[in-house]
Amino acid sequence: GDSVTQMQGQVTLSEDDFLFINCTYSTTWYPTLFWYVQYPGEGPQLLLKVTTANNKGISRGFEATYDKGTTSFHLQKASVQESDSAVYYCVLGTNSAGNKLTFGIGTRVLVRP
Amino acid sequence: EAAVTQSPRNKVTVTGGNVTLSCRQTNSHNYMYWYRQDTGHGLRLIHYSYGAGNLQIGDVPDGYKATRTTQEDFFLLLELASPSQTSLYFCASRTGFSGNTLYFGEGSRLIVV
Repeated sequence: GDSVTQMQGQVTLSEDDFLFINCTYSTTWYPTLFWYVQYPGEGPQLLLKVTTANNKGISRGFEATYDKGTTSFHLQKASVQESDSAVYYCVLGTNSAGNKLTFGIGTRVLVRP
Repeated sequence: EAAVTQSPRNKVTVTGGNVTLSCRQTNSHNYMYWYRQDTGHGLRLIHYSYGAGNLQIGDVPDGYKATRTTQEDFFLLLELASPSQTSLYFCASRTGFSGNTLYFGEGSRLIVV
């Protein structure tokens, strides 16, 4: 079945630091790749979507790219702010039975002022 | 604006108790999902549905039942609650296409003592 591996459990940064989170995925279906963000006390919300057609997505200063050769996709931001403190999930979407989304375990990002 | 509303937001019950978590979406979406969120596991799919009267089994269904009474309403039932079901539960909805955004509710925190 589909799977997503997201390795970093927690990342602690200072403001203006560079953020990089990497995920790998496995599927036999055509993939759509997402990054969701969850702020404290809220449900997850879509941050970025990357398709194999465009290979890249940009939103709110974040950039997500995809590498078909290594079946990996990552999220980066050049200069984080305290307001970026949240949990970030990489998510795999396919047209497999049920159109389910497969979530990574999440990376908690803490940005210190 | 897409909307998914969950109730109750917080619930405490005893082992063996009966709990129903409710979810209503006003997005006219076909698909609705129930996830549980636990530290170290991210979001795990319990059950989902692609329309009224339909139910599909997710990845961690044991101990849970669900029912989709209308396109708007999806319920998660714990008939004999156990401490292992203490968790934060999220409902979500989206259209059927795998590339479409998943919209989450704010979550229901359940504690089983």
